[in-house]
Amino acid sequence: NAGVTQTPKFQVLKTGQSMTLQCAQDMNHEYMSWYRQDPGMGLRLIHYSVGAGITDQGEVPNGYNVSRSTTEDFPLRLLSAAPSQTSVYFCASSPPGTVRVIFGSGTRLTVV
Amino acid sequence: QKEVEQDPGPLSVPEGAIVSLNCTYSNSAFQYFMWYRQYSRKGPELLMYTYSSGNKEDGRFTAQVDKSSKYISLFIRDSQPSDSATYLCAMSARRNYGGSQGNLIFGKGTKLSVKP
Repeated sequence: NAGVTQTPKFQVLKTGQSMTLQCAQDMNHEYMSWYRQDPGMGLRLIHYSVGAGITDQGEVPNGYNVSRSTTEDFPLRLLSAAPSQTSVYFCASSPPGTVRVIFGSGTRLTVV
Repeated sequence: QKEVEQDPGPLSVPEGAIVSLNCTYSNSAFQYFMWYRQYSRKGPELLMYTYSSGNKEDGRFTAQVDKSSKYISLFIRDSQPSDSATYLCAMSARRNYGGSQGNLIFGKGTKLSVKP
């Protein structure tokens, strides 16, 4: 049982490049989400999913896309990276009927 | 005004001290109140959660929620150097499909340092 696994752990992008941050969980959780964490801003919700085929926007969705084709995977796509997207990105999941949101170890992204 | 306010600190205390961490909020629809601990360069880990008002104790940690004042607290007794971390309060207003508590609104986090 690996929990929530994020790859890569570190990434440097040039402005305008695209990339996909991977997130996988092996706990059969229906709910998954992506947050970004910036200094002085706390964690903010980007997108979330309540099950395969269902996604919705959070507080800061602009510049990001998500899809949920399986229960296990919830990738986050940066369409055209901008320096403002330099941040630490956390994927999270939780089982139904609980408040136990479990976070991955994060992806540190720098856009230059 | 941000929905959840938390003093970012930093807070430095000697080993063995009682630590009090607090958050205030403005959304009266919040029902679930959580405290996360985050070590440097790691993901947040859930410490405690409380539904609605009241107290909850787990070892050296006590969480309190006062919905009438829109104020939540986390107390750490007999603090240890291993408690040095950033503590994040988080809140949730609704349950999503499947019964999960849904999306979390976080405070900015308070950085705690416990000196030996």
